[in-house]
Amino acid sequence: DAGVTQSPTHLIKTRGQQVTLRCSPKSGHDTVSWYQQALGQGPQFIFQYYEEEERQRGNFPDRFSGHQFPNYSSELNVNALLLGDSALYLCASSLVGQGAYEQYFGPGTRLTVT
Amino acid sequence: AQKVTQAQTEISVVEKEDVTLDCVYETRDTTYYLFWYKQPPSGELVFLIRRNSFDEQNEISGRYSWNFQKSTSSFNFTITASQVVDSAVYFCALSLRGGSYIPTFGRGTSLIVHP
Repeated sequence: DAGVTQSPTHLIKTRGQQVTLRCSPKSGHDTVSWYQQALGQGPQFIFQYYEEEERQRGNFPDRFSGHQFPNYSSELNVNALLLGDSALYLCASSLVGQGAYEQYFGPGTRLTVT
Repeated sequence: AQKVTQAQTEISVVEKEDVTLDCVYETRDTTYYLFWYKQPPSGELVFLIRRNSFDEQNEISGRYSWNFQKSTSSFNFTITASQVVDSAVYFCALSLRGGSYIPTFGRGTSLIVHP
């Protein structure tokens, strides 16, 4: 039973560029949440996708957008990258309505913006 | 508003010592969940325990134990006879029914266990 997978593992981008991160949820899960974890901080919720729609959103600017595909996998897009976007981006999957109750995290994508 | 405070930024112990990681939370909701996660250097958050607000029973799982006290809004985590493999960052988190169960994490406590 495959867990949550994310790609790529590491990424280096330049300020102003755009980036796309990918996540495949755990088998049987239909909801994907994205988190940003800055160095020395706890994860912060970005948004959650279910049925290909954004259901919940945290306090992040519109530069952060996402998408969910019919197979439940998801992408996180960040436009106009800033140095402050450097962080570990975690994807978590769950079943609808369960939220954090039963949520599984992927290994993350470490994004460095130079 | 909800908040989780982990006042200990870093704890350093020698193997076989017992160690307690503190977690204090704030919420006005009566229905909520508390969590502890372990984050090893690989980065993946590993779920350790979930506790709902109506269950104040303490729990023990092997060398791990958790003490939930609503009177002090605390959910502390104790590792007995620590091992080098316990070295990681540990996060406490709170999720509210009123917040669609989206979790709020503390800033984490880095535990270093020396051989």
